[in-house]
Amino acid sequence: GAGVSQSPRYKVAKRGQDVALRCDPISGHVSLFWYQQALGQGPEFLTYFQNEAQLDKSGLPSDRFFAERPEGSVSTLKIQRTQQEDSAVYLCASSLVPAGRSSYNEQFFGPGTRLTVL
Amino acid sequence: AQSVTQLGSHVSVSEGALVLLRCNYSSSVPPYLFWYVQYPNQGLQLLLKYTTGATLVKGINGFEAEFKKSETSFHLTKPSAHMSDAAEYFCAVTRSGGYNKLIFGAGTRLAVHP
Repeated sequence: GAGVSQSPRYKVAKRGQDVALRCDPISGHVSLFWYQQALGQGPEFLTYFQNEAQLDKSGLPSDRFFAERPEGSVSTLKIQRTQQEDSAVYLCASSLVPAGRSSYNEQFFGPGTRLTVL
Repeated sequence: AQSVTQLGSHVSVSEGALVLLRCNYSSSVPPYLFWYVQYPNQGLQLLLKYTTGATLVKGINGFEAEFKKSETSFHLTKPSAHMSDAAEYFCAVTRSGGYNKLIFGAGTRLAVHP
């Protein structure tokens, strides 16, 4: 089947605009993660969903960032009033079973959305 | 808290030469360790992982890594580099329990020249 898909692949926003980034996880995957990858850096965790429940949002950098997964499948990351420091690649990953078990379950990553804020 | 340090942001090797990418981690609990590869404009692809058991793990494309607890290291190696290995490589750590969020290093860009 298809892997994780993200849209749009590229987004240019003027400072102060709101943006919405979409993630379609692998069908049936329970866990969904968002990461932010700044230029020249490794990805950093933003938030985690188990089905529709957002269980960890400790990585969201400010209250301008909001994520949802209302039906437990597609997820949207929304950034309000974008700032230049929000420019990054936003990666989505999904895994089959709930995180927090004793064994690790592989996270499958999408291609990312490259956000540029002018 | 967990963290990852990758020594060398850029590594250049000749085709056919040994590839060695260094990763050291910090973790107060037994870690799960990973190497991911990222090609331009693509997502992260898992190369290999260590969770428990054998400390020498083999991955895809001829890569392997050895978990050395005493050195808190998880270096990635490949005996003979190929041009197609040119990419960005990320070491990552997580732990059992919790939400398995990955903590990544800053990455090492591998260049392979003829």
